[in-house]
Amino acid sequence: NAGVTQTPKFRVLKTGQSMTLLCAQDMNHEYMYWYRQDPGMGLRLIHYSVGEGTTAKGEVPDGYNVSRLKKQNFLLGLESAAPSQTSVYFCASSPLEDEQYFGPGTRLTVT
Amino acid sequence: KNEVEQSPQNLTAQEGEFITINCSYSVGISALHWLQQHPGGGIVSLFMLSSGKKKHGRLIATINIQEKHSSLHITASHPRDSAVYICAVRGGSQGNLIFGKGTKLSVKP
Repeated sequence: NAGVTQTPKFRVLKTGQSMTLLCAQDMNHEYMYWYRQDPGMGLRLIHYSVGEGTTAKGEVPDGYNVSRLKKQNFLLGLESAAPSQTSVYFCASSPLEDEQYFGPGTRLTVT
Repeated sequence: KNEVEQSPQNLTAQEGEFITINCSYSVGISALHWLQQHPGGGIVSLFMLSSGKKKHGRLIATINIQEKHSSLHITASHPRDSAVYICAVRGGSQGNLIFGKGTKLSVKP
């Protein structure tokens, strides 16, 4: 099992550009999450999904959109990137409200 | 005030020492998680607990629901234990995880 994978691992964007981060899990987990991690702060929840076809806002959803068309995939989109979105993004999945399994992270820089 | 507070923020220990990391929270919770973030960035779940105590190898996690406090102990610490240890609680209005800022542990040989 690959567990939770994230694509890409690194990305540099210019302000205003768009991109999609892909998260995939092969553990048949119902719940999936997108977090961002910034220096001096704890992980913060951007969006989450409790099942295929469902999404919900987390603590810091502005500027991001998500989709969960397939159970194993959770996509995070930035429509118009801003420097404030420079961060490390982590995806996670869990079987219901249980321990979470994290992906390796995506380091995004917006210039 | 942060809903999840960890102490200390940074901790340096000598190999073999007994280590304690503390986590206090201010919200009602259904569970508390301890996670480890390796120097390379990867995050691994260590424990999930809602009462009492759990042990895995040299790691022990305890929780006191009445005092809203949890501790993570590492016995016979080793340089490979060097990492950031993160406390997270499941609580609040949405029931999602709320994370502490982490405790950076460095174990010297």
